[in-house]
Amino acid sequence: GQNIDQPTEMTATEGAIVQINCTYQTSGFNGLFWYQQHAGEAPTFLSYNVLDGLEEKGRFSSFLSRSKGYSYLLLKELQMKDSASYLCAPRGGNKLTFGGGTRVLVKP
Amino acid sequence: DSGVTQTPKHLITATGQRVTLRCSPRSGDLSVYWYQQSLDQGLQFLIQYYNGEERAKGNILERFSAQQFPDLHSELNLSSLELGDSALYFCASSVQGASYTFGSGTRLTVV
Repeated sequence: GQNIDQPTEMTATEGAIVQINCTYQTSGFNGLFWYQQHAGEAPTFLSYNVLDGLEEKGRFSSFLSRSKGYSYLLLKELQMKDSASYLCAPRGGNKLTFGGGTRVLVKP
Repeated sequence: DSGVTQTPKHLITATGQRVTLRCSPRSGDLSVYWYQQSLDQGLQFLIQYYNGEERAKGNILERFSAQQFPDLHSELNLSSLELGDSALYFCASSVQGASYTFGSGTRLTVV
């Protein structure tokens, strides 16, 4: 089965750092994705972790601890365009299941 | 352009009707996934096809069905439509699950 928990909403200031946590319980876990989604648009790929540790890609980093069923997405040097929903998506077998998403609001 | 093509972009239909949503995956991707996203809700997995065969099923209603054709495009059929079926329907494709690329979605409005 799948159980994914992430905060519903977070607010941060332009230029700041925000960390979005995600806990999951996924049968047959074999990797975790983070996606960004602006309202009414398609999700776009941000990161993929299959092994424990930190993956850094520009202003975005993602961390995974498989033993703890825990991941986080770190957004640095926040920009206004980063206001969006961020979706945690662990994969179990062939199935990619999405959490409800965290809506991030970046204020000037 | 993500390379995943969904048609139509918008669809308005009446309750009780039947509609077909179409998805063409990225070139070379064998897997197609369908998701439903109702207003302010998360993405709900419906069904996955791999090279023409059904591989995984989520919370897909019996009124909904899908298939993947030999040219790898997929269709999602929604019948006996209800107001609650109004949503964004996304298709995604992947190469062996390494990355998932989404189409721009079909916005279905049932009136």
